[in-house]
Amino acid sequence: EVQLVESGGGLVQPGGSLRLSCAASGFTFRSYWMHWVRQAPGKGLVWVSCFKSDGSSTNYADSVKGRFTISRDNAKNTLYLQMNSLRAEDTAVYYCARGIGVAAAGFDFWGQGTLVTVSS
Amino acid sequence: QSVVTQPPSASGTPGQRVTISCSGSSSNIGSYTVNWYQQLPGTAPKLLIYSYNQRPSGVPDRFSGSKSGTSASLAISGLQSEDEADYYCAAWDGSLNGVVFGGGTKLTVL
Repeated sequence: EVQLVESGGGLVQPGGSLRLSCAASGFTFRSYWMHWVRQAPGKGLVWVSCFKSDGSSTNYADSVKGRFTISRDNAKNTLYLQMNSLRAEDTAVYYCARGIGVAAAGFDFWGQGTLVTVSS
Repeated sequence: QSVVTQPPSASGTPGQRVTISCSGSSSNIGSYTVNWYQQLPGTAPKLLIYSYNQRPSGVPDRFSGSKSGTSASLAISGLQSEDEADYYCAAWDGSLNGVVFGGGTKLTVL
């Protein structure tokens, strides 16, 4: 059974840092693109970042570029999102998701999400 | 403002067929396949349609997708009360080098 379990969310002050983790199981983690998607309270889905399966490249939304860093540890089947210089507008539930299909942009499995709140 | 546009709301009665539209541009929907998601309140999104109108295992064939040029549509036939949810379209964007989501459509079953 495919499972994605996020952790690491919480309350952080503006300008602070947080690292999210996504533990994967039930599939060959290294073979898939992995993504982070966020959803602010009461708002829609917003793609944040992705990491190619072959480790050759990463991509970021303009809103987080230069502040967030995605990484993966294929030996531990874990995806990470290091978030620095956090702003109030980064407050959201953060989901990790597995990518499939054309451009690996179809997200067939999602974690339960972890809430990040940026507030003083 | 989203790069990909959806109507904020849609509605239908049980048994009816409803469609939700999704409008983009040549760099996203015009060049890549469209994925559709259903999100029930308080839960993670669920993939309904991906690639060339493929449905993941367990998704009923009442759900179908289509695309023409830079626009796409999700059709739900035989509408049921449990279909009441938020629906999102998404696609890879070759100019942004990332995935773009529509703003979401709240479907109400009357």
